Amino acid sequence: AQTVTQSQPEMSVQEAETVTLSCTYDTSENNYYLFWYKQPPSRQMILVIRQEAYKQQNATENRFSVNFQKAAKSFSLKISDSQLGDTAMYFCAFMKPYSGGGADGLTFGKGTHLIIQP
Amino acid sequence: KAGVTQTPRYLIKTRGQQVTLSCSPISGHRSVSWYQQTPGQGLQFLFEYFSETQRNKGNFPGRFSGRQFSNSRSEMNVSTLELGDSALYLCASSLESVGQAVRETQYFGPGTRLLVL
Repeated sequence: AQTVTQSQPEMSVQEAETVTLSCTYDTSENNYYLFWYKQPPSRQMILVIRQEAYKQQNATENRFSVNFQKAAKSFSLKISDSQLGDTAMYFCAFMKPYSGGGADGLTFGKGTHLIIQP
Repeated sequence: KAGVTQTPRYLIKTRGQQVTLSCSPISGHRSVSWYQQTPGQGLQFLFEYFSETQRNKGNFPGRFSGRQFSNSRSEMNVSTLELGDSALYLCASSLESVGQAVRETQYFGPGTRLLVL
């Protein structure tokens, strides 16, 4: 079974600063998918970024980028020029490839509560 | 394109009752997954449906069941409710298709908050 670990329960930074959220995972799979989702106080889960394990290039989406280290099984999220609207719970998630006709769901970490201070 | 919708948004039930939650996926999405979110256990996968068939199921008791209709809408049912079933239930849809190798991204609805008294 896969496990996803987020070691920072809470982080707080000033607006406009850069912040990095950590995520490590454990799997025996070679191909898989990694995601960062954010969940603001509204509780709506919003996709931030997606990374395929077979791609060496780190994914980026505007101010959000990842540092994917496959050998170390590490998948950190960097938020540049942080904004008040970035305040949310951030979840790291793992998805296995298809196997035997089945489609496993996402395995989530416990989350990091990120607070952006004005 | 409209996002994933879930109804109802809030629900209060008493122990022993049953409840049905509904999820309408993004137009064109044929895969629907359900998750339970609680403060203690975090986010846990319940089951996934594709083309009206359950393809996988998480580690939940048989009181949790679901189904999917021909229009891809899905319902989740919990029978004989227990206090521990109080949670946010999230539905997610994705653009899966038969025979593809790549897994698709899951997009989430706003959730149904269930309180069991």
